[in-house]
Amino acid sequence: DAKTTQPPSMDCAEGRAANLPCNHSTISGNEYVYWYRQIHSQGPQYIIHGLKNNETNEMASLIITEDRKSSTLILPHATLRDTAVYYCIVRDNFNKFYFGSGTKLNVKP
Amino acid sequence: GAVVSQHPSWVICKSGTSVKIECRSLDFQATTMFWYRQFPKQSLMLMATSNEGSKATYEQGVEKDKFLINHASLTLSTLTVTSAHPEDSSFYICSARDPGGGYEQYFGPGTRLTVT
Repeated sequence: DAKTTQPPSMDCAEGRAANLPCNHSTISGNEYVYWYRQIHSQGPQYIIHGLKNNETNEMASLIITEDRKSSTLILPHATLRDTAVYYCIVRDNFNKFYFGSGTKLNVKP
Repeated sequence: GAVVSQHPSWVICKSGTSVKIECRSLDFQATTMFWYRQFPKQSLMLMATSNEGSKATYEQGVEKDKFLINHASLTLSTLTVTSAHPEDSSFYICSARDPGGGYEQYFGPGTRLTVT
């Protein structure tokens, strides 16, 4: 079962930063947080993952709270092509992903 | 990133027939692949874990005799929906983990199954 909860939808203006929150209060000490996004009728696309420290790559930044009970995905300069459903996932000890309901990000011009 | 393909991208079949969906890792060998199902406007639901050279493990509530999984090589897993019915109509997505990388899963583009 999914260990994450996310808001169902968010709006963001094009060019601004999009901050997508995720709660994972029951996460265990060795479980990683992963973020994927899914554009309509396509397979999910990997964005970023982390354990304790904040992470950054060419797509996004991941901020994980010190108690690891929540995290935030940051898209620094959202574009219209970033409109998608964003999934925050806790990888379990068997390397399985249980998807929650995700956040539909609407980037508006 | 690693590339995973699926074939076919969409298929229409008649009720009672069986349909096979292929999942291939194109530039890496995957000892483990996963199969998901997604109904319209819903999230992905994990169906089973496909292990190369051994039996698949199914999630609770997924009928193993209806959804046959074969992982005969390190680059190919197949999902066969047997005796398909209209309620099996869904978007089926596979993923694979590149053991040479981290534990992130790379997803295929999905297969749209419509049972008439």
